[in-house]
Amino acid sequence: AQSVTQLDSHVSVSEGTPVLLRCNYSSSYSPSLFWYVQHPNKGLQLLLKYTSAATLVKGINGFEAEFKKSETSFHLTKPSAHMSDAAEYFCVVSDSGGDDKIIFGKGTRLHILP
Amino acid sequence: DAGITQSPRHKVTETGTPVTLRCHQTENHRYMYWYRQDPGHGLRLIHYSYGVKDTDKGEVSDGYSVSRSKTEDFLLTLESATSSQTSVYFCAISDSPFGGGNEQFFGPGTRLTVL
Repeated sequence: AQSVTQLDSHVSVSEGTPVLLRCNYSSSYSPSLFWYVQHPNKGLQLLLKYTSAATLVKGINGFEAEFKKSETSFHLTKPSAHMSDAAEYFCVVSDSGGDDKIIFGKGTRLHILP
Repeated sequence: DAGITQSPRHKVTETGTPVTLRCHQTENHRYMYWYRQDPGHGLRLIHYSYGVKDTDKGEVSDGYSVSRSKTEDFLLTLESATSSQTSVYFCAISDSPFGGGNEQFFGPGTRLTVL
């Protein structure tokens, strides 16, 4: 069965400092993993996805994530935070070989301090 | 938002009344989904459709029904609204089903308040 855990419900960083949003997953098959971003009063937008190709995935707006099978993690990082990065971020897992389901994490709200 | 619109964008209704939310896409994607978003829960799948007249339940389908008579439209109906259905509802589309790394594209959402 699939599951996804976002380890922090809120993260605060200063502008210009690195961002780390943590995500652990559980999957019985070969998972596909996604990070989506949601700005206030908006729909979700895809940041990046992992689908069994390169384990280091680069996304939009300078974000990247590394798939670590041994740690069952897919953490999202960015070297230098910008005020426009303030949003809610969702880690998502889906299985390619089991039930056709997609599971969303509960979200991490990122706050950027000036 | 990838050619997806939702209507209405905001609605306030009273307990016990029926409510229908509409999702319209111009992308000709086969798969459409309805989610609800609540604080502390992320997004939870209500129902989804894998073609015209083909639908299936998600994890929180009780109290909801859906219909898809055309590729471009996916309707979500709350048969008798309750306060627990106060939420933000998102429609999503994709050109392939959940698995295999297929991105979903999301609409702007509908904020529903049930008094």
